Amino acid sequence: DVRLLESGGGLVQPGGSLRLSCAVSGVTLERHAMSWVRQSPVRGLEWVSGIDEAGARTYYADSVKGRFTISRDNAKNMLWLQMDSLRADDTAVYYCAKPNWNAEADWFGSWGQGALVTVSS
Amino acid sequence: EIVLTQSPATLSLSPGERATLSCGASQTVRARYLAWYQQKPGLAPRLLISDASRRATAIPDRFSGSGSGTNFTLTISRLEPEDFAIYYCQQYSGSPPSGTPPTFGGGTRVE
Repeated sequence: DVRLLESGGGLVQPGGSLRLSCAVSGVTLERHAMSWVRQSPVRGLEWVSGIDEAGARTYYADSVKGRFTISRDNAKNMLWLQMDSLRADDTAVYYCAKPNWNAEADWFGSWGQGALVTVSS
Repeated sequence: EIVLTQSPATLSLSPGERATLSCGASQTVRARYLAWYQQKPGLAPRLLISDASRRATAIPDRFSGSGSGTNFTLTISRLEPEDFAIYYCQQYSGSPPSGTPPTFGGGTRVE
């Protein structure tokens, strides 16, 4: 079974940066697209970003485009989300999630336990 | 983007009763690319249904999905105590060249 374990969440000031990590186990990561999905009381569930199997193609929600960067290292079984210029409305639980196959738009069969990111002064 | 509206916001039922949850889309969901998830407090969403009606692995057959176009339904035939949770729909019909991002509904709480 796929196991996804996020880390790196925390409290950050507006305008600051944070890097989330997702350790992937139970699958050969190089065969799978990966995504980040966030959830907040204000915005609900929101797809944030996706990356294809090789890391060659990345996709972003308009709300984070230009501020967030998704990346991966298949040899290390790791996925990351670099979040810059953070705003209060980025406050959410961030989930690492595995889409069925399509990095740009698909259903999510596996989810991590989530990492809480709080943007506040 | 495609906006999904779920109704009702809250469904108050008893164990053994039938639950019918609706998900309406602001535009046609291509190829019935709609999924349903269950979420319990403090946990991540769990996939129940994909492609509008395909049950995920290990999901009991009391859960069923139907619909097409802009109207979709999740039915729980007989509620078990563990089914009381929040349910979300999600569309994933965007693919190149449309670029429509995946979106989620606001959820229905079954209490």
